[in-house]
Amino acid sequence: QSALTQPASVSGSPGQSITISCTGTSSDVGSYNLVSWYQHHPGKAPKLMIYEGNKRPSGVSNRFSGSKSGNTASLTISGLQAEDEADYYCFSYADTSTLLFGGGTKLTVL
Amino acid sequence: QVQLVESGGGVVQPGRSLRLSCAASGLTFSSYGMHWVRQAPGKGLEWVALISYDGSKKFYADSVRGRFTISRDNSKNTLYLQMNSLRAEDTAVYYCAKDRGFGVVVAATLFDYWGQGTLVTVSS
Repeated sequence: QSALTQPASVSGSPGQSITISCTGTSSDVGSYNLVSWYQHHPGKAPKLMIYEGNKRPSGVSNRFSGSKSGNTASLTISGLQAEDEADYYCFSYADTSTLLFGGGTKLTVL
Repeated sequence: QVQLVESGGGVVQPGRSLRLSCAASGLTFSSYGMHWVRQAPGKGLEWVALISYDGSKKFYADSVRGRFTISRDNSKNTLYLQMNSLRAEDTAVYYCAKDRGFGVVVAATLFDYWGQGTLVTVSS
């Protein structure tokens, strides 16, 4: 199983919206509504931002939202803030009891 | 307050073994599945292994199956990763992570707490 495919980097200005894509296959993202997204500030523990495609854990801002179309899941962050600058990873269940992370996307807030 | 503290990392030669530990506190350790996740230098996160709350079920990434063994001692609130036949590509920071559930259904995996990681370097 290969890692899910994410863009290496995205950027946006404060107040703007950005979307990070996560492309898998029909054996993972396409077959299950089980994509989650983690925010990772270097040197800190990753934080769960979205689970089961579009659900937010308690305490996560509603500026974060998730969606899916076919084999591609997406994370959208609206109203960008400086504190959103971090690495973002998608994560999905795949066939044969495998778990896959995306390669990670570095978000830069300009 | 949940705390996960990894230990046991270091420099090891290719082909040798190493055992990592993760000491848990602030939670009912025996009620949750536990994972190991790693991050190679300059690379993304990679899931390594999962053990169910009672140790009865274990799951591994293809890249480590047959070489790594995950285990736990619920009486000591400690998670382990025995790594054998180490390769250069196993060089990474290894994190232990708590599952939100029992860890018996792989598809339901969600990580809600992570440790700070321990660095394993495989080099001659």
